[in-house]
Amino acid sequence: RKEVEQDPGPFNVPEGATVAFNCTYSNSASQSFFWYRQDCRKEPKLLMSVYSSGNEDGRFTAQLNRASQYISLLIRDSKLSDSATYLCVVKGGSGNTGKLIFGQGTTLQVKP
Amino acid sequence: GAGVSQSPSNKVTEKGKDVELRCDPISGHTALYWYRQSLGQGLEFLIYFQGNSAPDKSGLPSDRFSAERTGGSVSTLTIQRTQQEDSAVYLCASKGFKNTGELFFGEGSRLTVL
Repeated sequence: RKEVEQDPGPFNVPEGATVAFNCTYSNSASQSFFWYRQDCRKEPKLLMSVYSSGNEDGRFTAQLNRASQYISLLIRDSKLSDSATYLCVVKGGSGNTGKLIFGQGTTLQVKP
Repeated sequence: GAGVSQSPSNKVTEKGKDVELRCDPISGHTALYWYRQSLGQGLEFLIYFQGNSAPDKSGLPSDRFSAERTGGSVSTLTIQRTQQEDSAVYLCASKGFKNTGELFFGEGSRLTVL
């Protein structure tokens, strides 16, 4: 079983739609969680951290469910520019806590 | 420059040859990571350096892969006796001392093994 699992998609949605991605992780000792964005043929960049209480950044909302070991990302009012691959990232756990493990990513295509 | 620099940007080699990939992290960043990304796949963790601590090598796929970080700065990833399945983009990232998850990635080194 992969340490971090995501539905690869693609998710094809019209502009203005609300779309949600989920991610599950296997190591219950994981400490920190993030969403990264990767545009085609570009390097990944941090989108937002995920806090236990949930957090929002504009149209983006991230939530963490430690009991079920999953993380979600909600995008409201999708824009064409949101088209990208969204990578779920998990940090820490037993042993070395600095390692960041990436999921395989979920691809989003926003259509006009 | 101010960002993470990787070289070469592209490398084509023949099966069985050794290759070296270089990463120059952001000045002052204490943590350095290597990942590889095959076409259409996610990032596969390879190795992680943090300051002077022993590196976490748990992601290296075989003993043909090794990496070192000299002087706490530049890192070299070496692949010996390359195989076709080693073809991928090798991404290096660095992180500052703040306890955040923000990695700053280089543009990657695209390796093609013929």
